[in-house]
This record gives sequence, C-alpha cells and structure tokens, in this order.
Amino acid sequence: GAVVSQHPSRVICKSGTSVKIECRSLDFQATTMFWYRQFPKQSLMLMATSNEGSKATYEQGVEKDKFLINHASLTLSTLTVTSAHPEDSSFYICSAPGGTGINYGYTFGSGTRLTVV
Amino acid sequence: GQQVMQIPQYQHVQEGEDFTTYCNSSTTLSNIQWYKQRPGGHPVFLIQLVKSGEVKKQKRLTFQFGEAKKNSSLHITATQTTDVGTYFCAAFRSSASKIIFGSGTRLSIRP
Repeated sequence: GAVVSQHPSRVICKSGTSVKIECRSLDFQATTMFWYRQFPKQSLMLMATSNEGSKATYEQGVEKDKFLINHASLTLSTLTVTSAHPEDSSFYICSAPGGTGINYGYTFGSGTRLTVV
Repeated sequence: GQQVMQIPQYQHVQEGEDFTTYCNSSTTLSNIQWYKQRPGGHPVFLIQLVKSGEVKKQKRLTFQFGEAKKNSSLHITATQTTDVGTYFCAAFRSSASKIIFGSGTRLSIRP
C-alpha cells in the first residue's frame, strides 16, 4: 500500500530557531500533501494544502510566513516552522491521497512531535 | 463551512461491551471516511462509505451511512483491548478537495 515517510519523529528546539519537517511518498506520487497539527486529545486541524509546483493554500488563521511549506517534487513536501515558540509545540502530521483519488483514503505520515523550549 | 460533529467525545467501556460513535453533518456528504488513531500513533484509514444507507462490515466493526447521507456511525461489537484509540470520521469537501475531520471519539477499555 501507499506509504508516507515523515521525519523527524521527534524534535526539541530552542525558541527562535526553525525546524523543518519532511514528508516523502515512498511508492506513489503525491501531487497534493495536507499538513495538520494536533494538540493532545484533540482532532486534526488542517493547516495547509501543498501542491507540487505551486504555492500552498493555507487555512484561515494559519500564518504562511511562520509555517513555510514547499512541495518541490512529486514525492517530497516540507513544512518549516520558523522562529518557533513554545506555543508551536504540537504534533504535526502530513497526509496524501493514498491511491487513485479519494477512494483509497488518505495515507498519513507517522507524525512529528515538536517541543519548543 | 462544512462541519462534521462527532459524539461522544469519550467512551470508557468494559472489555467485551459494545461501542458506537456517531458523526453528523448539517449538509449532505458525498462520502464519509473513518480512521483510527492509536495512542501516540497516526490516523489509519479504515473505510469509506459512499452510497445512501450503505452498511459495511470489517470483522467486529460495522459502518453505516445514513439514508440522507448526513450521518454515519461506527459500531464495534465485543470490544477488545486492541480497539483502544481515537476514531475519527472525515468528510470530503469537494469544493476544496480536502477532507474535514470530526472531533473524534476516544475509546478506552477496562480489561
């Protein structure tokens, strides 16, 4: 089946630094990648949608200058949290349509737990 | 915008008891998907329902899509400790080509 590899799984960084999270589709081409964040015991909140070769679409309330998304190839999408602050600590997770369109569900990466100290 | 409401938020059951989570939408859905997220893990796709009144089964799990395609349910018969996790429904928002997740139901089980 479709696999999305997400790295790193955990990261601790200091306030003010930037962190890059990568998601790679291993056995399929992901023209679209969705980025979510999830706070403890809460649902997944869509942050942005990245499309290969074009600018990402951000959800209302998400700062595009703080959460930089790049989708330079059909197999790689990255999310960079810039000038991180403790309130950015969260679980970040990517997902992509796993097969031919939505009929096969969405395949999620394993997530990145970010802690900003 | 389109919202998917899910209840209950939490459910704590004795092992062997049944469990049901419900999703409701104010608008007609083209389809609905169900995901399971184990503690500390990531969501895993379980199933998709498309047809009005559709019922699908996966072993002890039964998924239903309402006749009006505005609600759905997931029923687990005779829960086991391996069923622990959070179950999310998700609706496809065709206008934006993205899925919207319900708030999730967290299932915990007493052995």
